[in-house]
Amino acid sequence: SQKIEQNSEALNIQEGKTATLTCNYTNYSPAYLQWYRQDPGRGPVFLLLIRENEKEKRKERLKVTFDTTLKQSLFHITASQPADSATYLCASDQAGTALIFGKGTTLSVSS
Amino acid sequence: NAGVMQNPRHLVRRRGQEARLRCSPMKGHSHVYWYRQLPEEGLKFMVYLQKENIIDESGMPKERFSAEFPKEGPSILRIQQVVRGDSAAYFCASSPGRADYEQYFGPGTRLTVT
Repeated sequence: SQKIEQNSEALNIQEGKTATLTCNYTNYSPAYLQWYRQDPGRGPVFLLLIRENEKEKRKERLKVTFDTTLKQSLFHITASQPADSATYLCASDQAGTALIFGKGTTLSVSS
Repeated sequence: NAGVMQNPRHLVRRRGQEARLRCSPMKGHSHVYWYRQLPEEGLKFMVYLQKENIIDESGMPKERFSAEFPKEGPSILRIQQVVRGDSAAYFCASSPGRADYEQYFGPGTRLTVT
């Protein structure tokens, strides 16, 4: 069955460092991957979408890559700040209709 | 432009009662998705609707759960005869197109079954 996994449940880094979050998928080939941010008690907020024919996408301090050979997407936050602390969700298409989500990685940035 | 609205934000029901969750999509969005999130678990897709049509309900339990998105008014997720295992956060999202567009999520409805 289609699986999307975020291997790290939690990631702790210091302010100013680059945070790198991993998303792996198995048993299918998604046409795109999306990344969302979720704060406690709130709904997810869309951050970036990358398609299978794109290697890299950037938005301000955020960068996402899509490696179809490794079946993996990496999500980077450069110059991280305590305000970046949240849970980050990876998602991909499921048979072209809805999204399937990973369980998320909770990032904590300490000052 | 108002975002996706969900109400109520919190809902408490006794076992056996009915729960009705409402979702008003963003203006101009005709695609609505419902997800359920359990503690320590990821978001699980339930159902995808367009105006007056259910497009994909493969994630919806076969019994007790139903969804609609009428021509006028909000989308409704209805859970009949709730059980304790239905306690979760239910999120609605909308998009201007199919799932390859970004989805805009509401704040969620937290259902507690006592």
